[in-house]
Order: sequence, then structure tokens, then C-alpha cells
Amino acid sequence: DIQMTQSPSTLSASVGDRVTITCRASQSISSWLAWYQQKPGKAPKLLIYKASSLESGVPSRFSGSGSGTEFTLTINSLQADDFATYYCQQYNTYWTFGQGTKVEIK
Amino acid sequence: EVQLVESGGGLVQPGGSLRLSCAASGFTFSSYEMNWVRQAPGKGLEWVSYISSSSISIYYTDSVRGRFTISRDNAKNSLYLQMTSLRAEDTALYYCARGPPGGSGYWDYWGQGTLVTVSS
Repeated sequence: DIQMTQSPSTLSASVGDRVTITCRASQSISSWLAWYQQKPGKAPKLLIYKASSLESGVPSRFSGSGSGTEFTLTINSLQADDFATYYCQQYNTYWTFGQGTKVEIK
Repeated sequence: EVQLVESGGGLVQPGGSLRLSCAASGFTFSSYEMNWVRQAPGKGLEWVSYISSSSISIYYTDSVRGRFTISRDNAKNSLYLQMTSLRAEDTALYYCARGPPGGSGYWDYWGQGTLVTVSS
């Protein structure tokens, strides 16, 4: 099974900050990685697919990069609406998620 | 507008059974791969099962294989998850999620979930 490890687990930031979340795969997954945002009581929302492709309607302050085993999600100029939990997901072999990164207000 | 609406959750005793449904609308259901995903209270996301558009390919995560059965009725625009031999660790919010056009593995639309609680 492919394991996905996100860091950090929790991140404290302020509006306007640049935030970076890292996701590492236990083996190469090429670029078969997606990022989701989840707010309390809501379903996850797709942000990024194929490591760096922005889903339609997602603000351009979100960006993804990486390939192989190391990936990052960057949020430029964090907005109040961005405080949430973020998950990476590999879809190279079946589907597995990272444990999540909670972005909270500093 | 794409909509996925889950139903069928509830409280069930260990060893019991439950059938979840996901009603799809706003897209050509028969053309899309579908999945069930769960989230235990306060925990992360876990993929449960996958079914291809024509039901030819079906996969399960190891912990539910042999106990859960995924199926779909394209004529009714519906996805199902038959769950048997339920355990306390199956307690979770169960989401249905749609694969994108062309079937590339990530999920572009999710329902709001239905809660399954396994407890005596």
C-alpha cells in the first residue's frame, strides 16, 4: 500500500500569509496527486489534481507542485475563507489520503 | 448542477447490516466512475470502494472486502453500498464521490454524507 504523510499536522497562520503544506508518498506516484479542502461539517472540495492543475473555480492563490514522492500545496495570501483542513490524495494505485493539515488562525 | 445525495445511514448493532444509497443528478451518471469514502468522527478520509461506469471493475479497501458490496443502477442514477457484518470501527460519515470526466482517479464532486453508527 502507498502511504501518504503530510506535514505539518497543524499550521497557525494569519490572513495574508503564504502557507506551504508538504505531502510525501512512500513510493513514486508520478504526478497522480490531488489536494482537497475540508471545512467543518462539509464535504471535501477538490482544489488541485495531477499535482499542479487547478480545478475550475478554485482561486489562483492555491497552487500545487511536485512529482515522484514529494509534493507541496501553497496558498498565497491566505484569506479568512481558507482556514480549513487540507488533505492530499494519491491515485496512482487505488486511493490513499494523507492524515490532513489543519490551517488555523494564529 | 451536479448533485450527490446519500441516504440510508443510521444506528446499527455490531454484526448488523445497512444499505447506503447515493442519488445522482445533474450529469450523465452512467458515464462516470463512482466511489464510497468514509470519515470516522474527528478523523481523516478513507477510501472504501470503487465502481467503474459499467460496473465491470470493482475494488475495495482491505478492511471491508468480503463484508461490503458496491453496486450501481445506471437506469436509476443511483449508487449503493451494502454493508454487512458491521463493526464498531465502521462507524463513520460515508460519502459518495464522483470520478472526473475521462476517469482519471481524483474526485471532483462529493455528496454531503450519511452517518453510520455501529454500537450496541
